[in-house]
Amino acid sequence: GAGVSQSPSNKVTEKGKDVELRCDPISGHTALYWYRQSLGQGLEFLIYFQGNSAPDKSGLPSDRFSAERTGGSVSTLTIQRTQQEDSAVYLCASSPQGLAGFYEQYFGPGTRLTVT
Amino acid sequence: ILNVEQSPQSLHVQEGDSTNFTCSFPSSNFYALHWYRWETAKSPEALFVMTLNGDEKKKGRISATLNTKEGYSYLYIKGSQPEDSATYLCASLTGTASKLTFGTGTRLQVTL
Repeated sequence: GAGVSQSPSNKVTEKGKDVELRCDPISGHTALYWYRQSLGQGLEFLIYFQGNSAPDKSGLPSDRFSAERTGGSVSTLTIQRTQQEDSAVYLCASSPQGLAGFYEQYFGPGTRLTVT
Repeated sequence: ILNVEQSPQSLHVQEGDSTNFTCSFPSSNFYALHWYRWETAKSPEALFVMTLNGDEKKKGRISATLNTKEGYSYLYIKGSQPEDSATYLCASLTGTASKLTFGTGTRLQVTL
């Protein structure tokens, strides 16, 4: 079946512009995560959705970052007024269960964001 | 230990060698430990999720053990093959049932 998909795969934007990153999880997966990996760093948790609500958004680095999920499916991560330090690979993952941290996560291919 | 730490950072072995990596994590308020394999230009792929002290899991030539009391997990690869070349990530679920904390990974390169 279809896996987790993300779009765009690559995005180059100028500093100060807004960007939207999209994630389509596996159908039926209730849990959805956003992570990012900056150069030389490990995967960094950003936000967790269970259904359409976000019980844990503690990883969002600033109020320029926001995310939403609609219909218990597609999620969008929005970064406003991008800065060079936002350059990273942004990964989305989904999981089929509640208490999602106890179950394996299925990752998308990521969006490589470059802010110039 | 406050963070998830992995060692070594990178490893270069010959085909046929067996190898192992270490993941250290906070032992208090522990819920689960995940291992993922991340090949270049691909998505991270789940290997194991372990929750109980003393857990041992195996998938083909790869196996993992878990010690929750001392906060470490080992990943073993028996008879390494070039297709095993990847970054191996561990992540702990500690203090919250939803948020994984990842280590920076062990990069394995297997050559002929």
